[in-house]
Amino acid sequence: KAGVTQTPRYLIKTRGQQVTLSCSPISGHRSVSWYQQTPGQGLQFLFEYFSETQRNKGNFPGRFSGRQFSNSRSEMNVSTLELGDSALYLCASSLDVLAGGTYEQYFGPGTRLTVT
Amino acid sequence: AQSVTQLGSHVSVSEGALVLLRCNYSSSVPPYLFWYVQYPNQGLQLLLKYTSAATLVKGINGFEAEFKKSETSFHLTKPSAHMSDAAEYFCAVTWSGGYQKVTFGTGTKLQVIP
Repeated sequence: KAGVTQTPRYLIKTRGQQVTLSCSPISGHRSVSWYQQTPGQGLQFLFEYFSETQRNKGNFPGRFSGRQFSNSRSEMNVSTLELGDSALYLCASSLDVLAGGTYEQYFGPGTRLTVT
Repeated sequence: AQSVTQLGSHVSVSEGALVLLRCNYSSSVPPYLFWYVQYPNQGLQLLLKYTSAATLVKGINGFEAEFKKSETSFHLTKPSAHMSDAAEYFCAVTWSGGYQKVTFGTGTKLQVIP
């Protein structure tokens, strides 16, 4: 099976702009989670979507939003970018436990966002 | 609430020496525990997982971890370090009913000295 794919891999934006990142999960995985990784804060959970519904949410401001489509692909959006949003954004997919999953997540390579 | 503590943000071992990366968890319910590895400029890759079956879990690349409920620990070990093991390692915890809200530790960077 193909792994989790994320596009774009690298992105440079200016403060105040907005950005949309895309994630395609492994075929059959309906749960998609997003994480922000920075040297100072480590891995921080943004949100998780399952069957087009946000099921879990981390402690990020409303500028961070996401959505999931019927084919399980997910996007996250960051509006009014700040310098502190520079990070590696990781997407992970997983097989739901009702479908036989055991909570492990499969990560994409990430999108490196630089805000200048 | 669930939490994970990884002792030591940086660990150095000589090639061929034992690798021991420490992870302690806090959970009010039976946990599911994971170790992930991240190589530079890549995403995280699952090394192994504990899901309430055998307490000694074997993973990829010769790594294993032992779940010790009495010590609330899930330390990662490998008998003999290889240069290719140099990476950052993350311990993570979730629980049934937590859906996919996984809590990660702060990571341990492993340096292997030739």
